[in-house]
Parts: sequence; structure tokens; C-alpha cells
Amino acid sequence: DTAVSQTPKYLVTQMGNDKSIKCEQNLGHDTMYWYKQDSKKFLKIMFSYNNKELIINETVPNRFSPKSPDKAHLNLHINSLELGDSAVYFCASSPTDYYEQYFGPGTRLTVT
Amino acid sequence: KQEVTQIPAALSVPEGENLVLNCSFTDSAIYNLQWFRQDPGKGLTSLLLIQSSQREQTSGRLNASLDKSSGRSTLYIAASQPGDSATYLCAVNSDKLIFGTGTRLQVFP
Repeated sequence: DTAVSQTPKYLVTQMGNDKSIKCEQNLGHDTMYWYKQDSKKFLKIMFSYNNKELIINETVPNRFSPKSPDKAHLNLHINSLELGDSAVYFCASSPTDYYEQYFGPGTRLTVT
Repeated sequence: KQEVTQIPAALSVPEGENLVLNCSFTDSAIYNLQWFRQDPGKGLTSLLLIQSSQREQTSGRLNASLDKSSGRSTLYIAASQPGDSATYLCAVNSDKLIFGTGTRLQVFP
């Protein structure tokens, strides 16, 4: 009965590869987010989508491209992976902007 | 630019103690403030959300207060238990959620 789910939980890949992380929420929320937690455990927003429309796009390299096929899904595609992309990526959702956010379990990405 | 700071960075207390975690933010123009808990290797669990018009919120042994004008929030944990051991994160919602650096709490038996 998971509210916000992400796949995969762990992702190990080599530099230069392209990978995707999937996120799904079954809460009926309109807004979804991607966050990055770096090695120092600091969490920072990357993107937010409201009803499939991009709302926030932080200063993230354009190798990162979010895609929202529908309101319940927000996937993150990363091209040409670099060592510095190693982090834990969290997906979250909220009913709309400025409401309580619910987080997924995270995807630990390791780039070798 | 909104900045969020949490002190202390780490805290170790014996079981049963009441404790206070502090969060401060630089811009008082916020929509709400959210407290989270993160267990090692796990996701974030939302504990409490305080809207900007509210002064406090309570959930069980947890009580969070908000003083928007002074840019401060506190999370009070009553009668701490070993199961409360985790990292506690404060996040301020201006036009996006800005996280603090967290307080790592250890409660020992």
C-alpha cells in the first residue's frame, strides 16, 4: 500500500551511461518532485511538476531530464552519467504546491 | 535567499529525557514549515506540518512550534525512546522546500 514508490532502490552504473529512475504515487496528488541528497546528507530540490507541467527547474545540468507521462508518475532520466551524480535521489508528492510533501524511499545511485 | 540552519548537529541523550531540536530560517516569508525524520538508509517520514498562520502542531509525543517573525521553529520530543533515534530534518516552504542540515539524534537505553 505504498504511497510514493521508486524503482530501482539501488542503481550501480559506469560513467557515460544513461539511466532512468521511476516514481509513482497513488495519493491522487497533483504535484511531484525530485530531490537529490548528496554525500553530506544535504537535500536539495531538483524539479517539480504540477499536473504534468514543469514548475521548478533548479540549476541542474541538462543531462537530467524529468518526464511526467501522467499525474501519478514522474521519471528522471540522466544522460552521460558522471561520478558527481552519485547520490540518493528522492521522489516526493503533495496535493498541490505549498502543502505537505510525502517522500518515496529513495534510489541510491552509484556511478563508477 | 532562504537559508535553514539546525542546531545541534548531533545529540545523544538517555532514554526518558525531554528534548528540543532547533531550526532557524533567514526569510520569514514562508507558506509552511515541515519536520521530517530520516532513518539510516531510508526515506523521509513527515512528522508535522505547521502552516505559516499557525503557532504550533502536536502529534503524540511531538510538538512543533513556529515563530515566523523571528525565523525559528522548535521540535519538542517528550519522554524520548531509543526508537526515536534518527536524523530530524526541518524544511521551510517558500516557493520550494528548503531543507536544513539536520540533527542526528541518538537515544540510548
